[in-house]
Amino acid sequence: DQQVKQNSPSLSVQEGRISILNCDYTNSMFDYFLWYKKYPAEGPTFLISISSIKDKNEDGRFTVFLNKSAKHLSLHIVPSQPGDSAVYFCAAVFGNEKLTFGTGTRLTIIP
Amino acid sequence: GAGVSQTPSNKVTEKGKYVELRCDPISGHTALYWYRQSLGQGPEFLIYFQGTGAADDSGLPNDRFFAVRPEGSVSTLKIQRTERGDSAVYLCASSSNLAGGVDEQFFGPGTRLTVL
Repeated sequence: DQQVKQNSPSLSVQEGRISILNCDYTNSMFDYFLWYKKYPAEGPTFLISISSIKDKNEDGRFTVFLNKSAKHLSLHIVPSQPGDSAVYFCAAVFGNEKLTFGTGTRLTIIP
Repeated sequence: GAGVSQTPSNKVTEKGKYVELRCDPISGHTALYWYRQSLGQGPEFLIYFQGTGAADDSGLPNDRFFAVRPEGSVSTLKIQRTERGDSAVYLCASSSNLAGGVDEQFFGPGTRLTVL
């Protein structure tokens, strides 16, 4: 039972354009959502998060949008840079405990 | 090094053998998590420690898997009678688990376990 889903396994975007990564969840008890970025042979690193009481959080080039009624969140990266090429994981948490991850989206930025 | 470290980085073993995977969390972090990432999947939760005690071990797949954190710092994940299906990257994370909000989990680079 996949509670957090990332339906696009891969995405290619031209450098300088906007990258939009999507995530859907099924458990309405989740109260915090996070995006992690992962390079090969490294552990995931935290990127940005959003509380369930908000609908938008912005940090530099990264913005996360949350639509609770649709149980959907998205990560926008603008402008996209070559160093953004990585696997991006959406994760959700209930309380302050274990993360439930999606299956990841491999983002490739084309120079 | 101030980050989470894991040893070994790679472990190849034969079916039926016993393995131990070690995690050194960030100094002072009271919460420690183990996750397992299979090919093409996201990390899946295994067990969570708060101090020395396992606060949630609901993700351990069966009784061949066991983890300890005797002094509230270093943790060891132990797998008995390994099976080919145990092959995965085992990730460890730690957080400060301060009161209020959700604390960022800092991940180590993982141990890639291959069971032949």
